[in-house]
Amino acid sequence: KAGVTQTPRYLIKTRGQQVTLSCSPISGHRSVSWYQQTPGQGLQFLFEYFSETQRNKGNFPGRFSGRQFSNSRSEMNVSTLELGDSALYLCASSLRGSEGNQPQHFGDGTRLSIL
Amino acid sequence: LAKTTQPISMDSYEGQEVNITCSHNNIATNDYITWYQQFPSQGPRFIIQGYKTKVTNEVASLFIPADRKSSTLSLPRVSLSDTAVYYCLVGDEAGANNLFFGTGTRLTVIP
Repeated sequence: KAGVTQTPRYLIKTRGQQVTLSCSPISGHRSVSWYQQTPGQGLQFLFEYFSETQRNKGNFPGRFSGRQFSNSRSEMNVSTLELGDSALYLCASSLRGSEGNQPQHFGDGTRLSIL
Repeated sequence: LAKTTQPISMDSYEGQEVNITCSHNNIATNDYITWYQQFPSQGPRFIIQGYKTKVTNEVASLFIPADRKSSTLSLPRVSLSDTAVYYCLVGDEAGANNLFFGTGTRLTVIP
């Protein structure tokens, strides 16, 4: 079974630009969550999508947005990039919504660098 | 969401058993305890999950006392490749869930 796939793996942008990151969940997983990881702040939750609806949201500004498609694939968008947005962006999928408490399965992330 | 407290770092020699304890005093009735492992520049990998007592799989054991206010991840006979950051999470699907990873425990295995 293929794991969570994130594209691109690396990205370099400049301040003020916008960026779109993509995540393909494990087949059958309908929940997709996004996280930002930086050395200073650790792993921070951005938002979660389930069946194309945002179900949970972390404490990030409105510049960070996302969406989920009918095939469960998800995209995350960051507008007006700032230097502090440089981070590893991780996507995780799970069988959330099924019986029991389902753990998350992570991709290897997109390393975003802002110049 | 119950917050967790873990040691910042631990060192161990190869071949030893390593126990990492996580405190979660405010754990709720519906919360599960989940542990992840993360290597540099990779996403966290699910290790083990439990609700109470003891859970064992092919890579680790998870011990949860009756009051569930703490849990201990046990890694048998660690090798150099077990050097990583280990995160303990507490939560349930229905609630705000997943989301607070904390600082994790950086385990360094020494040859």
